[in-house]
Amino acid sequence: GAGVSQTPSNKVTEKGKYVELRCDPISGHTALYWYRQSLGQGPEFLIYFQGTGAADDSGLPNDRFFAVRPEGSVSTLKIQRTERGDSAVYLCASSLEGARNTGELFFGEGSRLTVL
Amino acid sequence: AQSVSQHNHHVILSEAASLELGCNYSYGGTVNLFWYVQYPGQHLQLLLKYFSGDPLVKGIKGFEAEFIKSKFSFNLRKPSVQWSDTAEYFCAVISGNTGKLLFGQGTTLQVKP
Repeated sequence: GAGVSQTPSNKVTEKGKYVELRCDPISGHTALYWYRQSLGQGPEFLIYFQGTGAADDSGLPNDRFFAVRPEGSVSTLKIQRTERGDSAVYLCASSLEGARNTGELFFGEGSRLTVL
Repeated sequence: AQSVSQHNHHVILSEAASLELGCNYSYGGTVNLFWYVQYPGQHLQLLLKYFSGDPLVKGIKGFEAEFIKSKFSFNLRKPSVQWSDTAEYFCAVISGNTGKLLFGQGTTLQVKP
């Protein structure tokens, strides 16, 4: 597809379960970002990748959160032992070279996570 | 701590009214500044950006923003809003050598026809 694709679009899980959220960036985009957005708030930075490596993971809230991008394309955000406070929309964005160079991030529709 | 503040959380205007949304940041040194917009039911998209040069930048759909370094501000303006401008607007900043883009909490703009 032409845009950033995120799956699933909606995920309902129970407290304590493990969740994976997937992001397919725009082809050729080297930078990939993960954000979390709660109702009425702006996107909260979690992590960003340049290629396969995490260039900055300072936004991951704790060690229950982990993200990978093994081949420099698709990325997976993994959340262990989910808590009700993890409920939010998880946004993925990609950029040709990174926000620092080109300034434009292309966002997906988001994955809405609800932890019961 | 580094932060981005948007003063107006919810703005209601009538069509043809002028718009100004405030944005302040708390970084020192070099910054790159952005406004993103999210229309109802759509994903976030770039409205305009400032990297260097003329501090008054023009974006899509008649929007503009002015970077005032001494005030650490990057306010968004539009002379005459339309109903189709109803959306959520986010200011964002990158500072220094990091590629980390940080967003403000957003302003919801409602334009009445």
